[in-house]
Amino acid sequence: AQTVTQSQPEMSVQEAETVTLSCTYDTSESDYYLFWYKQPPSRQMILVIRQEAYKQQNATENRFSVNFQKAAKSFSLKISDSQLGDAAMYFCAYRSGGGTASKLTFGTGTRLQVTL
Amino acid sequence: KAGVTQTPRYLIKTRGQQVTLSCSPISGHRSVSWYQQTPGQGLQFLFEYFSETQRNKGNFPGRFSGRQFSNSRSEMNVSTLELGDSALYLCASSSMGLAGGQYNEQFFGPGTRLTVL
Repeated sequence: AQTVTQSQPEMSVQEAETVTLSCTYDTSESDYYLFWYKQPPSRQMILVIRQEAYKQQNATENRFSVNFQKAAKSFSLKISDSQLGDAAMYFCAYRSGGGTASKLTFGTGTRLQVTL
Repeated sequence: KAGVTQTPRYLIKTRGQQVTLSCSPISGHRSVSWYQQTPGQGLQFLFEYFSETQRNKGNFPGRFSGRQFSNSRSEMNVSTLELGDSALYLCASSSMGLAGGQYNEQFFGPGTRLTVL
């Protein structure tokens, strides 16, 4: 079974600064996807960024980028130029790439605070 | 396009009762997945339905069941409610096809907050 670990329950960053959230995972599969989801106080889960395991290039979406280290099974999220609206719970998630699987396996989350 | 909708948004029940939650996916999406979110256990996968068939199931007792209708709307039912069933229940839809594998983003609904007293 796949597992996802987020070792930082809480993180804090000042507005306009950069913060990195950590995530490690364990799997024996070679084909999979990794995601970062944001859950603001409204509880609506929003996809921030995804990474296909077969791609060596790290994914980037505007101020959000990942550092995907496949051999180390590490998938960290970097948020640049942090904004107050970035304050939320962030979940790292794993999904198998093969077959018809759509199940997401989530980490325990990191609560990000953004201060002035 | 309208997003994923879940009804009701809030629900209060007592132990032993049963409850039915509803999820309407984004138009054209045929896959609906359900997740339970609690402070203690985090986000856990319940099951997934595709074209009215349960395609994947998480590790939950048989009290948790679901179904999907021909219009892709899905319901989940919890019978004989326990205090531990208090949670946020999230539903997600995607356009994932039969072949799977190809990435299709899952879009989440706002959730149903269930409180069991």
